[in-house]
Amino acid sequence: AQSVTQPDIHITVSEGASLELRCNYSYGATPYLFWYVQSPGQGLQLLLKYFSGDTLVQGIKGFEAEFKRSQSSFNLRKPSVHWSDAAEYFCAVGAGGTASKLTFGTGTRLQVTL
Amino acid sequence: GAVVSQHPSWVICKSGTSVKIECRSLDFQATTMFWYRQFPKQSLMLMATSNEGSKATYEQGVEKDKFLINHASLTLSTLTVTSAHPEDSSFYICSARKQGVGETQYFGPGTRLLVL
Repeated sequence: AQSVTQPDIHITVSEGASLELRCNYSYGATPYLFWYVQSPGQGLQLLLKYFSGDTLVQGIKGFEAEFKRSQSSFNLRKPSVHWSDAAEYFCAVGAGGTASKLTFGTGTRLQVTL
Repeated sequence: GAVVSQHPSWVICKSGTSVKIECRSLDFQATTMFWYRQFPKQSLMLMATSNEGSKATYEQGVEKDKFLINHASLTLSTLTVTSAHPEDSSFYICSARKQGVGETQYFGPGTRLLVL
């Protein structure tokens, strides 16, 4: 069975600073990976996804993520954080190389200080 | 685009009553939709997979008779919480799978249920 680990429960960064949120997965085959963001009381918005091809994927809002098979990681990055990026971020892996059944990490709460 | 709506966005009900939550894919067809439950400051817990035209598949520990799911069309799935109790109070989120190359689950805005 697949699993996802987000080691950081809570991260605080200053506005304008760079950001990296960690995600490690466990899956036997090529994973199908996602990053979602959730603002308080809201649903999840897709930031980006990886299913094949270029291991560096670009997403919305200036986010990117890099798939590293050797490290079983899919870390999310942003070069310069904005106060509006404060939210909960979830990494997820899809079973069977699809989006048919997602397993989510426990999430990382991002706080941005001005 | 890929937009998923949920209705209602929040609901308060008395213990013992039933509550229906609708999930609609607005601009694509979805043979598969999913229902999640999220507790405060926690991740999403998959409750069930809703399949158009067939029975839903429930995750282990989720009561089928408690959480009724109907997926009557390619754009609508409903979750009915029957005989709701205070412990059913939670944030319920649905998603719809948009199939094809690079298929993705798109999520609704969630429904907050409070059972008094």
